[in-house]
Amino acid sequence: KAGVTQTPRYLIKTRGQQVTLSCSPISGHRSVSWYQQTPGQGLQFLFEYFSETQRNKGNFPGRFSGRQFSNSRSEMNVSTLELGDSALYLCASSLLQGGNTEAFFGQGTRLTVV
Amino acid sequence: SQQGEEDPQALSIQEGENATMNCSYKTSINNLQWYRQNSGRGLVHLILIRSNEREKHSGRLRVTLDTSKKSSSLLITASRAADTASYFCATDEFYSSASKIIFGSGTRLSIRP
Repeated sequence: KAGVTQTPRYLIKTRGQQVTLSCSPISGHRSVSWYQQTPGQGLQFLFEYFSETQRNKGNFPGRFSGRQFSNSRSEMNVSTLELGDSALYLCASSLLQGGNTEAFFGQGTRLTVV
Repeated sequence: SQQGEEDPQALSIQEGENATMNCSYKTSINNLQWYRQNSGRGLVHLILIRSNEREKHSGRLRVTLDTSKKSSSLLITASRAADTASYFCATDEFYSSASKIIFGSGTRLSIRP
């Protein structure tokens, strides 16, 4: 069974631009969560999608958004990029919503904003 | 905000020794999970322990959970160089219809040859 796939793996963007990251969950998993990891803030929860609906959201500005498609694939978008958005963005898929089952992570997308 | 806090922040031991990491959390939980991360890559799920369980084993890993103290520990026995990584505990919010997994700050484990 294929694992969680995130694309692209690396990305360099300029301040003010926008970026879209993609996550394909494990087949059969309906929940996709996104996390931002930085050296200073650690792993911060962004949002969770289940059955195409955003179920929970972390404390991030509205520049961070996401969506989930009918095949459970998810995208997250960051608009008007700032230097502080440079981070490793991780996607996790799980069978059920929330933390009731194991979450499996992709390798992440490393975003650098210059 | 972070639900779990790991202790110690960093740990360096000799290969073959046992490594113990602790995690404390703040609110009631349904379950607690431990993850490993190598050099800024994706997280690897190690073990999930439910709130009604006290101890769980998986290979060289042993996890305990004390809900009265809101704490958990991860023991890695007979450590190997490949165990060098950061270890995170993660908890979910209780009584939440839209719960989320909250990660601690992690313990950086280094195994000396």
